[in-house]
Amino acid sequence: EVQLVESGGGLVQPGRSLRLSCAASGFTFDNHAMHWVRQAPGKGLDWVSGISWNSGSTGYADSVKGRFAISRDNAKNSLYLQMNGLRAEDTALYYCAKTGARIVVGSYAFDIWGQGTMVTVSS
Amino acid sequence: QSVLTQPPSASGTPGQRVTISCSGSSSNIGSNSVNWYQQFPGTAPKLLIYTNNQWPSGVPDRFSGSKSGTSASLAISGLQSEDEADYYCAAWDDSLNGYVFGTGTKVTVL
Repeated sequence: EVQLVESGGGLVQPGRSLRLSCAASGFTFDNHAMHWVRQAPGKGLDWVSGISWNSGSTGYADSVKGRFAISRDNAKNSLYLQMNGLRAEDTALYYCAKTGARIVVGSYAFDIWGQGTMVTVSS
Repeated sequence: QSVLTQPPSASGTPGQRVTISCSGSSSNIGSNSVNWYQQFPGTAPKLLIYTNNQWPSGVPDRFSGSKSGTSASLAISGLQSEDEADYYCAAWDDSLNGYVFGTGTKVTVL
């Protein structure tokens, strides 16, 4: 079964850091670009970041550029999101998602989603 | 940031046809394909339509997508109670160099 399982969320104070992980199974992880998408409580979907199959290319939403860093370890079938300088507006459910493509750029659909991990930024 | 605009809500009675619009610009819908996602409360989004009008395996053909210029549409024909959900359009944006989602539409079956 194709599956993505996120972890690492929690309650964190403004300005602090958090690292999210996404464990993939059931597919050839290193054949696919991966993304993070977040959803604030009661709000819509918001793309955060994406990474190509070989980590050669990454992309970030303007709202997180310079603060968040996406990475992957193909040997461990894992995707990560290092979040620094967290703000209250980063409070959201963070999903990892798989695409059918190897590259980040382009309208490739997110065909598999995890169940998400909640990040709450509050003092 | 939501640069794709959708109506906040849409509704219909069982069996009716409901259409959801998604308005964008030349840098997103105008130059890239559109995908649609369905999300039930408390669950992760699910891919509903990809590359404007293609169905992933398991999605009923009651759902159909189309694109014209800088706009796209999702149609649900033969509306069923289990179609009550939030629907999001999405596309790559060449100017933002990122993936953008629509504002989302809540579909209610009356």
